Amino acid sequence: NAGVTQTPKFQVLKTGQSMTLQCAQDMNHNSMYWYRQDPGMGLRLIYYSASEGTTDKGEVPNGYNVSRLNKREFSLRLESAAPSQTSVYFCASETGGFPYEQYFGPGTRLTVT
Amino acid sequence: GENVEQHPSTLSVQEGDSAVIKCTYSDSASNYFPWYKQELGKRPQLIIDIRSNVGEKKDQRIAVTLNKTAKHFSLHITETQPEDSAVYFCAASWTGNQFYFGTGTSLTVIP
Repeated sequence: NAGVTQTPKFQVLKTGQSMTLQCAQDMNHNSMYWYRQDPGMGLRLIYYSASEGTTDKGEVPNGYNVSRLNKREFSLRLESAAPSQTSVYFCASETGGFPYEQYFGPGTRLTVT
Repeated sequence: GENVEQHPSTLSVQEGDSAVIKCTYSDSASNYFPWYKQELGKRPQLIIDIRSNVGEKKDQRIAVTLNKTAKHFSLHITETQPEDSAVYFCAASWTGNQFYFGTGTSLTVIP
């Protein structure tokens, strides 16, 4: 089992460019999440998907869109990147029921210049 | 929404001593409280969790306590070892879905 995988690992964008971060899990989990991690800020939820076909906003959704393509895949899109979106992005999945353990991907380090 | 505060932001202890990290939450509906450990450059990993119907849970050198009335919970690590050095995050959730994380505690265990 690969667990949760993310691509790419690193990315540099210019302001205004767009890109999609990919996430996939092979654990048959129902729920998937996108977080951003900034120094001193902890992990902040951008969007989540409780099941295939549903998505909901988290704490910091502005500037992002998501797609739950199927049960395995959950992508995060930046339509017009801004320097404030420079961060490390983590995807996570969990079963959707107790014990709610989240399994995180390895992260994507994104720099917007 | 929920607000989780975590203290201290940094903590240094001598090897073998205990470490305690505290978190408070604001939403009394939160009923699930996990703790994650993140080593440098790695992904967060769950180390212990507690549900609101339990006051304390132990797993070897790690324990978590929960005070629902005061809305705070704490992570206790005993007999610390250098490999315990990492950033620790608390979180609060209401039956999964939205998880609210604290800002993290950087623990350094000095050999």
